[in-house]
Amino acid sequence: EDKVVQSPLSLVVHEGDTVTLNCSYEVTNFRSLLWYKQEKKAPTFLFMLTSSGIEKKSGRLSSILDKKELFSILNITATQTGDSAIYLCAASVAAPYNNNDMRFGAGTRLTVKP
Amino acid sequence: SQTIHQWPATLVQPVGSPLSLECTVEGTSNPNLYWYRQAAGRGLQLLFYSVGIGQISSEVPQNLSASRPQDRQFILSSKKLLLSDSGFYLCAWSVALTEAFFGQGTRLTVV
Repeated sequence: EDKVVQSPLSLVVHEGDTVTLNCSYEVTNFRSLLWYKQEKKAPTFLFMLTSSGIEKKSGRLSSILDKKELFSILNITATQTGDSAIYLCAASVAAPYNNNDMRFGAGTRLTVKP
Repeated sequence: SQTIHQWPATLVQPVGSPLSLECTVEGTSNPNLYWYRQAAGRGLQLLFYSVGIGQISSEVPQNLSASRPQDRQFILSSKKLLLSDSGFYLCAWSVALTEAFFGQGTRLTVV
């Protein structure tokens, strides 16, 4: 059975702190690892990682994938209150018709206090 | 640019009543379409996906069904809702091997 596990489930930090969110996966026909940020309703896309060891960066956020150890991390430096959200990790699996079939983790709820 | 519309935003329905949630996508052709459910404290669970008109694949057996009457329209339905159907339902679209983009979701409460 496909499995995507995120840790921690929740995290409370203060502004300016650096956080690391973890995602491990065990899925059949793995294709890529995706990170989403969900603030109120629709998850918004952050990163898609396909290759091991190549860091992707967007401002204060960065992410990297380890396909040998089957995990990914999402780093947020100099956190701000606006970073408070649920961060979702998903493993995309190869499916018929080039369908982007994703298996999601339970998410990490990040709360950044002023 | 592509946009996805999902409605209604919230819905309160009695047990045993029917359900119809609609999702439409603009600005793209022949997208892959998905229905996810997010239960409290849990990740997104894929319910249905569709690669074309009339083509529906179900991931989880349940009393829900999905239909795709048009290329960019995806409908989630039930004939008789159960209490356990309560949750946050998200529609999403993708094209081939790209990331998926989500609608704003529908909060369904079955009472």
